[in-house]
Parts: sequence; C-alpha cells; structure tokens
Amino acid sequence: GNSVTQMEGPVTLSEEAFLTINCTYTATGYPSLFWYVQYPGEGLQLLLKATKADDKGSNKGFEATYRKETTSFHLEKGSVQVSDSAVYFCALIRGSTLGRLYFGRGTQLTVWP
Amino acid sequence: DAGVIQSPRHEVTEMGQEVTLRCKPISGHDYLFWYRQTMMRGLELLIYFNNNVPIDDSGMPEDRFSAKMPNASFSTLKIQPSEPRDSAVYFCAISQRDRHGYTFGSGTRLTVV
Repeated sequence: GNSVTQMEGPVTLSEEAFLTINCTYTATGYPSLFWYVQYPGEGLQLLLKATKADDKGSNKGFEATYRKETTSFHLEKGSVQVSDSAVYFCALIRGSTLGRLYFGRGTQLTVWP
Repeated sequence: DAGVIQSPRHEVTEMGQEVTLRCKPISGHDYLFWYRQTMMRGLELLIYFNNNVPIDDSGMPEDRFSAKMPNASFSTLKIQPSEPRDSAVYFCAISQRDRHGYTFGSGTRLTVV
C-alpha cells in the first residue's frame, strides 16, 4: 500500500539551529513527494515538492531531496526562525495521478528566540 | 489563482443537532477532498470527489456523515445528529490537473457540546 512515516514530534529548537525532519514512504510505482506546512489556525500550505528521483524541492530556505534508494524525503533547513514554528506534513501522490494525497502524522516544530 | 473558501470558520452546536459545513472552490479543479483533523488521529480523509462524483467515501466514519457536491463550485459535509466526538477541524481541499498537490481551505472548527 501507500503510506508515509515521519518523525514524531514535538521538535524544539533555538533560533538559527539546523532542522531535519525525517520522512520515509512506501508506495507502488513512482510517487510525487511533498512537504506541507500548517501555521496555527490555518489550513495546510504547500511548502515544496519533488516529482522524480533525485529531484530537490526548495522554498523559503527549506530543502528536501527525493531519494528513491532509501525511499526518503527528509526536510532540512540550515537556520530556523521563530516564524518557522508550525506543523509540517510529509505526503505523497502515487505516480502522476491527481487523486488521493497520503499524509504523514505531522511534526510540530517550535522555535525559541 | 486557485482558492478554497470554507464556512463557517467556527461552529459550536449542541449534541444531536444537524451541522452543515460548506466549501466553495474559487477556481477550476478536478478533485475535491474533505479531511478531518484531530490531535488524536491527525489528518483523516473522509471523502473525495472527481468531477463532482464521489469516488471514495470509505473514510466517512458513520452514517451520520454525508457529503454532496451538487456542482463544481459547491460542496457540503453534513453531520446528523452531531456528537461531541465529532469535534474537530474540517478541511476542504482541491487539486487541479495542471499542478501537483492540493490547495486547502482555512478549515471549519466544529465544537459539539
């Protein structure tokens, strides 16, 4: 089946620290991979995506590389800010379909000044 | 640009009452999804539509839940009768053929007392 497993939170960091949130997936075929971010009181927003192996998605200083050999899509940021405090969701869509997105459980990130 | 409007933003109702949540996609889409988010269970897919036709409703928790999509610009999720365990944030989301990933609404926070 299709599933996403991401590291459990909460993750608490000081400002300017390095961030890694691990995400691994199980899927048939060649999925597209995503990271979504949810700020307090809001819906989910697309943060970045990668549609094929070895692609790197990036946005707002965040990066993730699609690793087919390890079935992973870890999220990284070199220097976090207080404004990055949010819940981060890893997700996949199977192949090129437009249908269902499979989400991980989410990881709460809190950044202290 | 694509967008999704949900109403109401907040709903407080008494147990046993009927609740109707609304979703209006602002622009064209191929799929429309209803999700429920709670601390205990995370994001749960309830039902999704393709071109206004329900494709998979296996996530709808009970017969008390029903969803309709009478046209491409409007969808409803109804709970009748409501129960305290239905308290959650309900999100509507859309996907479009020419872009990967979803666009989420801001959600409806439902509290059943």
